[in-house]
Amino acid sequence: KAGVTQTPRYLIKTRGQQVTLSCSPISGHRSVSWYQQTPGQGLQFLFEYFSETQRNKGNFPGRFSGRQFSNSRSEMNVSTLELGDSALYLCASSLAPGVAGELFFGEGSRLTVL
Amino acid sequence: TQLLEQSPQFLSIQEGENLTVYCNSSSVFSSLQWYRQEPGEGPVLLVTVVTGGEVKKLKRLTFQFGDARKDSSLHITAAQPGDTGLYLCAGTFINTGNQFYFGTGTSLTVIP
Repeated sequence: KAGVTQTPRYLIKTRGQQVTLSCSPISGHRSVSWYQQTPGQGLQFLFEYFSETQRNKGNFPGRFSGRQFSNSRSEMNVSTLELGDSALYLCASSLAPGVAGELFFGEGSRLTVL
Repeated sequence: TQLLEQSPQFLSIQEGENLTVYCNSSSVFSSLQWYRQEPGEGPVLLVTVVTGGEVKKLKRLTFQFGDARKDSSLHITAAQPGDTGLYLCAGTFINTGNQFYFGTGTSLTVIP
């Protein structure tokens, strides 16, 4: 059974640019969550999607957005990048929200903003 | 301010030693999970606890959820180099889906 796939694994951008990250969940999983991981703040919840609808959103500015497609694949976008957006962005999939709450994480997309 | 505080932040021990990692909060959680993350990888779920006072064992790992569901501990017996990694606790509340609040993390190094 294939795991959660995130692309790209590494990317470098400059301030002011935008970036789109992609996540393909485990087959059959319909819930996708996104987390930002930094050395200073640890893992912080960005948002969760289920059946193409955003269910929850963390405390991040509007520059961070996401969407989910009918095949459960998800993308997140960060516009007007800032140096502080440098982080590991992790996607996690699960069968559905609240069902045992078991999250399966991808390997992450490491974003560096110069 | 982190909702979940873990201690210690760093731990370096010799193979065969025992250790305990603590995860504390002033909030009451509906469930709490423990994950282990290795460099270059995403966190991997170790256990989920949902009942206050619950104790779960996974081979050499013992997890306990506090009676008031505000804290948890992870005890490793006879640590092995393969236990090296970042240990994270994560709590969630009722009706918040998969919005987990992660702890500050404990970086464990087991020296052969």
